[in-house]
Amino acid sequence: SSELTQPPSVSVSPGQTARITCSGEAMPKKYAYWYQHKSGQAPILIIYEDTKRPSGIPERFSGSTSGTTATLIITGAQVEDEADYHCYSTDINGNHVFGGGSKLTVL
Amino acid sequence: EVQLVESGGGLLQPGGSLRLSCAASGFTFNNYWMHWVRQAPGKGLAWVSRINGDGDGSSTRYADAVKGRFTISRDNAKNTIYLQLNNVRAEDTAVYYCVRGLRSGATFYFDFWGQGTLVTVSS
Repeated sequence: SSELTQPPSVSVSPGQTARITCSGEAMPKKYAYWYQHKSGQAPILIIYEDTKRPSGIPERFSGSTSGTTATLIITGAQVEDEADYHCYSTDINGNHVFGGGSKLTVL
Repeated sequence: EVQLVESGGGLLQPGGSLRLSCAASGFTFNNYWMHWVRQAPGKGLAWVSRINGDGDGSSTRYADAVKGRFTISRDNAKNTIYLQLNNVRAEDTAVYYCVRGLRSGATFYFDFWGQGTLVTVSS
């Protein structure tokens, strides 16, 4: 199956904008999804179909895509946003594929 | 409120067997595809298996890494899915998450996750 590539870590100061990228060959044809995962908790869907935000997810979370790269954007990151962020999509064969995860540090 | 509660994890030796359960509540269970996703220590998430909604649980699919060793099933009367792990290997050590699935066109994705249950394979 195809791979999705994420940076292992991203660091920002509180109030800054954090951008986490996810690159994959099938991205132009398939939707990207993003999950927030805090230690010991269940992962949470924060972006679906590239840019949509589920009910209850703060507006500072947004998604964008360009070519083979999807990007999670956290505008005005807060300390409570520290977590692992995982992108997900399917490849051209319909296989379920996750990125390796990116650890966001806000300090 | 959607809830997914996994159970059944534990320590087992290579070659052993274990059955994981996931009790669902807060939604019409048999309308949804259900999945298992795992996360090995220090690694990313990895999809393991899925089973169809539409009531009968007759359509299943597996990741290549577990095909022939793991079996997913569901009991709609009990709002529960299961994952039978057979002939386990050290690389099966992971937190196993029960996940509710949705479809967007030809894409499956996951909207609600359980807290996970830890499976450790070690001699």
